[in-house]
Amino acid sequence: VQLVESGGTWVQPGKSLRLSCAASGFTFDDYAMHWVRQAPGRGLEWVAGITWDGGVMDYAASVKGRFTISRDSARNSLFLQMQSLTRADTGLYFCVKDILVAANRWGAFEIWGPGTMVTVSS
Amino acid sequence: SSELTQDPAVSVALGQTVTITCQGDSLRSSYGSWYQQKSGQAPILVMYGKDNRASGIPDRFSGYSSGDTASLTITGTQAEDEADYYCQTRDDSDNHRVVFGGGTKLTVL
Repeated sequence: VQLVESGGTWVQPGKSLRLSCAASGFTFDDYAMHWVRQAPGRGLEWVAGITWDGGVMDYAASVKGRFTISRDSARNSLFLQMQSLTRADTGLYFCVKDILVAANRWGAFEIWGPGTMVTVSS
Repeated sequence: SSELTQDPAVSVALGQTVTITCQGDSLRSSYGSWYQQKSGQAPILVMYGKDNRASGIPDRFSGYSSGDTASLTITGTQAEDEADYYCQTRDDSDNHRVVFGGGTKLTVL
């Protein structure tokens, strides 16, 4: 089982960025997926989650209305479209596989990718 | 309330037992999960549900939950257990949101 994030880079405030996560080693369509971020020297913050079938997406209050989570079963990939970025969005973004199979609620966060770094700065 | 509170730092002597706690109203309705994060690495799942150990986690790790408090106990702490530990659960005000505790830095003396 492997998750590999990409797309992180330096970006100016107010700009947009799209993160990707390539999943392998498990049946991607069976599991909810999440994005979790960690600002430098700080703790973990859940950003967004999407159910196994893409039917439910939810967001942390800090990103709701600016970020969009999506998934593509044909490419076994998870995405995070980020808009109107601010310095507070700076951090390491982790792609995470949920532990529950075909559930419509979140379970434990079973598998984590190594993360991709997003730096928002002028 | 959706907050989870953890002690920022805990220390334990090598080979001794240590308990890390997590407190929050959301834990009254949902079990917590525990994650270990070593310096420069991604977190890994340690415990979840009522008292389930994640795959590959040594049996010196155990979990317990009562009321608004979840706890993670390490019996016979090893040097490699030095890490940051985070609790996590569903937000009791919105089951489709997730909340993490602030993390506890465990130092093994």
